[in-house]
Amino acid sequence: AQSVTQPDIHITVSEGASLELRCNYSYGATPYLFWYVQSPGQGLQLLLKYFSGDTLVQGIKGFEAEFKRSQSSFNLRKPSVHWSDAAEYFCAVSDRGYSTLTFGKGTMLLVSP
Amino acid sequence: DAGVIQSPRHEVTEMGQEVTLRCKPISGHNSLFWYRQTMMRGLELLIYFNNNVPIDDSGMPEDRFSAKMPNASFSTLKIQPSEPRDSAVYFCASSLAQGAGETQYFGPGTRLLVL
Repeated sequence: AQSVTQPDIHITVSEGASLELRCNYSYGATPYLFWYVQSPGQGLQLLLKYFSGDTLVQGIKGFEAEFKRSQSSFNLRKPSVHWSDAAEYFCAVSDRGYSTLTFGKGTMLLVSP
Repeated sequence: DAGVIQSPRHEVTEMGQEVTLRCKPISGHNSLFWYRQTMMRGLELLIYFNNNVPIDDSGMPEDRFSAKMPNASFSTLKIQPSEPRDSAVYFCASSLAQGAGETQYFGPGTRLLVL
């Protein structure tokens, strides 16, 4: 069965600093990979997704993620964090040919002034 | 588009009572998902419908939980009888299924508290 690990439960970053959120997956082949963001009291919103091709994927709100097959990782990055980025971030995987998602436990991002 | 609509947004009930959560997917979407979110277990898929037919209900915890999708614009998740351990945020999501990898659009969730 596939699984997703987000090793950091909480991360605090200063406003304007760079951000990297880690995600590792366990799957026999290359799955579809996603990052979602959840603001307090809200549902989840898709930031970006990777299917194939260029391993560096651009998303909304200035986020990007890089797929590294050798490390089974799909880390999320942003060069300069804004206070409004404070939220919980979820990495997810999907079997190719199947519609359901398996989510990681999430990483809570706190942004300090 | 109004997005995925869930009701109620908050529900407080007593143990043993029946709870019904409602979801209206985005118009034109043919897949619908129910998730449960708790601190301990994170986000878990409960059930997945495609074209109103349940495809995968392996995540439904037990017989107390049931879900229906009588038509393309409405789904319910029912808990009967409810227990305190059912307290969680329940999300509904919908997508336009094209085989795999399609974006799921989430509703705002229903926060359930069972006393």
